[in-house]
Amino acid sequence: KNQVEQSPQSLIILEGKNCTLQCNYTVSPFSNLRWYKQDTGRGPVSLTIMTFSENTKSNGRYTATLDADTKQSSLHITASQLSDSASYICVVSASGTASKLTFGTGTRLQVTL
Amino acid sequence: NAGVMQNPRHLVRRRGQEARLRCSPMKGHSHVYWYRQLPEEGLKFMVYLQKENIIDESGMPKERFSAEFPKEGPSILRIQQVVRGDSAAYFCASSLDRGTSNQPQHFGDGTRLSIL
Repeated sequence: KNQVEQSPQSLIILEGKNCTLQCNYTVSPFSNLRWYKQDTGRGPVSLTIMTFSENTKSNGRYTATLDADTKQSSLHITASQLSDSASYICVVSASGTASKLTFGTGTRLQVTL
Repeated sequence: NAGVMQNPRHLVRRRGQEARLRCSPMKGHSHVYWYRQLPEEGLKFMVYLQKENIIDESGMPKERFSAEFPKEGPSILRIQQVVRGDSAAYFCASSLDRGTSNQPQHFGDGTRLSIL
């Protein structure tokens, strides 16, 4: 069964600090891995998409890594801002149609003063 | 902003009524997806449509639920004879290319359905 597990479930950090969110997956056959940011009451917004051959991708202060051998990904946020407070969702795509997208339950990040 | 538009944002129905959720994809996108999100759970795929065609409905319950994406107008997710368990946030997404390509899916802000 395809699964995506994220850790930690929730995280509180001070503004300006860095943090790293983890994603482990068991999805086969692997196609790509996506990180989304979801603000409360809003839809998810795409941050990065990585294929099998990519092991790192950046989008501003967000840097995602992928180790396809160990089936792990991380999302690193640098110099956090209050507006980074949101849920961060890891989504893994298996080859096939849209039904092959498996969503994690997300990490809820709160950035405080 | 020509993003994915969903309406209504909130919908309240009594048990047994019908719920109609609408989704207008981003301009130029012909691929539409519907997802359901229960509290504290990840999004779950329901159905994937491409203009006038249902491509994959493997995540949609066989009874009471239907979806369409007509040639003109928004995509509609229809739930007949709603029950309390249908209470959830329903998200629509659209993309330029097929479901698992490297194109991102762009999400709307969802419809929160509450069943009394």
